[in-house]
Amino acid sequence: GENVEQHPSTLSVQEGDSAVIKCTYSDSASNYFPWYKQELGKRPQLIIDIRSNVGEKKDQRIAVTLNKTAKHFSLHITETQPEDSAVYFCAASKGSNYQLIWGAGTKLIIKP
Amino acid sequence: EADIYQTPRYLVIGTGKKITLECSQTMGHDKMYWYQQDPGMELHLIHYSYGVNSTEKGDLSSESTVSRIRTEHFPLTLESARPSHTSQYLCASSALSGSDYNEQFFGPGTRLTVL
Repeated sequence: GENVEQHPSTLSVQEGDSAVIKCTYSDSASNYFPWYKQELGKRPQLIIDIRSNVGEKKDQRIAVTLNKTAKHFSLHITETQPEDSAVYFCAASKGSNYQLIWGAGTKLIIKP
Repeated sequence: EADIYQTPRYLVIGTGKKITLECSQTMGHDKMYWYQQDPGMELHLIHYSYGVNSTEKGDLSSESTVSRIRTEHFPLTLESARPSHTSQYLCASSALSGSDYNEQFFGPGTRLTVL
């Protein structure tokens, strides 16, 4: 079955710098890749997603890139701010009849 | 306002007790899920449902059961709670539309402690 690996487990960056979180997946049939953000004590929320027919998607300071050949996708956050501190989860799915397979999460720490 | 509601938010019980965690949604969604998550850690899918009278077990072995008698309601029952069940339980829902995958919306969670 599908397996999603996420790295690093913890990432500490200086405020204003960029942060990159990477995920790899095993099932080449996966075609949907969302990223969720979970702030301390809050519920996970979708921040961006990408489908397999595109290679990159941007939303202000956040971008996601997908390399289908290598079966990996990455979350890029530029000009990091204190409110970016959270746990970020990647996931993959083959479609609505299949479950989301989640990565283990990355704790992002923004240092002032 | 459309949302997902979970009760209770916090629960402390003794070993061996039977408990039901409630989840209801006013999102109009067909699909619902239960996840177990230690704070800030990995999300483990324990049950899901595609609609009324549909329930499936997830990847995480669990002694819990679920039911889906109404579209908006998806309760989780532990017949005999144990200390190993101490965790946070998150309910989620998503729309079911064709072949496209849709965003999962999460409830606020129930933090369970079994003594």
